[in-house]
Amino acid sequence: GENVEQHPSTLSVQEGDSAVIKCTYSDSASNYFPWYKQELGKRPQLIIDIRSNVGEKKDQRIAVTLNKTAKHFSLHITETQPEDSAVYFCAASAVGAQKLVFGQGTRLTINP
Amino acid sequence: DAGVIQSPRHEVTEMGQEVTLRCKPISGHNSLFWYRQTMMRGLELLIYFNNNVPIDDSGMPEDRFSAKMPNASFSTLKIQPSEPRDSAVYFCASPPTNTGELFFGEGSRLTVL
Repeated sequence: GENVEQHPSTLSVQEGDSAVIKCTYSDSASNYFPWYKQELGKRPQLIIDIRSNVGEKKDQRIAVTLNKTAKHFSLHITETQPEDSAVYFCAASAVGAQKLVFGQGTRLTINP
Repeated sequence: DAGVIQSPRHEVTEMGQEVTLRCKPISGHNSLFWYRQTMMRGLELLIYFNNNVPIDDSGMPEDRFSAKMPNASFSTLKIQPSEPRDSAVYFCASPPTNTGELFFGEGSRLTVL
């Protein structure tokens, strides 16, 4: 089955700097890669996703890149703000298979 | 739409007791997922249903865990007997058809003493 590895487990950056979180996956059949943000005590919520027919997707300050050959994908947050502090999860699945496998999470802290 | 609704939000029980967690998915969503979240293991998929039928229960830890979905608007996750290592936040989630996105409920925080 699918296995998703996520790094780093914790990340601390200065407000205004960029943050990058990386994930690798094992199943070459996976073609859907979402990122979820979970604030303290809250539910995970989708912030951006990418499908395997594109290499990069942007939404304001966040972007995701995908390298299917190397089986890795990354989340980039630019101009970080205090409200970006949260735990971020990557995930992978094969569209149609529905089963999302999550990475272990990255606790991002933005220092003022 | 009220989103995915879970109950109870918090439960504290003693080892050996039966625990039942409940979930109401978003109306019209044909699939339902149960996840467990702990600090050590992150978000683990326990079981998921499609059109009320269990599709994959390979994540259910052991026979003490069981899940049912008697109709499209209700599912339960039962632990009997409960153990301290079952302490976790249990999330229910449902996706709109063919989009992939999971809408999570607020979770049920279980503490087994």
